[in-house]
Amino acid sequence: EVQLVESGGGVVQPGGSLRLSCGASGFTFELYAMHWVRQAPGKGLEWLSLISGDADDIYYADSVKGRFTVSRDNIKNSLYLHMSNLRTEDTALYYCAKDGAGLGFNFEHWGQGALVTVSS
Amino acid sequence: QSALTQPASVSGSPGQSITISCTGTSGDIGDYNYVSWYQQHPGKAPNLLIYDVSNRPSGVSHRFSGSKSGNTASLTISGLQPEDEADYYCNSYTRSRALVFGGGTKLTVL
Repeated sequence: EVQLVESGGGVVQPGGSLRLSCGASGFTFELYAMHWVRQAPGKGLEWLSLISGDADDIYYADSVKGRFTVSRDNIKNSLYLHMSNLRTEDTALYYCAKDGAGLGFNFEHWGQGALVTVSS
Repeated sequence: QSALTQPASVSGSPGQSITISCTGTSGDIGDYNYVSWYQQHPGKAPNLLIYDVSNRPSGVSHRFSGSKSGNTASLTISGLQPEDEADYYCNSYTRSRALVFGGGTKLTVL
């Protein structure tokens, strides 16, 4: 059974930094691209980033490009999102998601999310 | 990376069919078959319903179907059931090497 567990959320001041982690199990981690998706309170879903299985291909949404960095450790079966220069509008529930159904570029499995609150 | 356009809300009675549209551009839905749909119940993580425009993952009811015409994708739910009441999101890969969601559609089962 695929399991994704996010951690590292919390309260941070504007301009601060935070690193989220996503532990994966139940599948061969290195074979799949992974995504980060967020959802602000009461709002819709926003895709943030994709990293390929070998980390050779990395894409970002314009809203986080230059501030967020995605990485992965295929030995530890873990995905990371380093967030810097955080803004109040970055307050959201952050999900990691496994790519993979069919041609890819979709979100086949999701974690339960890590809440990030940016507030002074 | 503009969001795909979905109706804010749709409604239907049990047993009826409804269709949710998702309009993009030639740079996303029109150019690629990487269109997917998600169902999200309150307080829960989203769940994949449709991938590659019209394919269902195992375990997803046959009442859910997807299609695409030009720059618009559609999700049809037939035989509406009370448990279908949820938010629905479309997503597409884009020419700018990004993915983009629709704004979401709230389905109310009357």
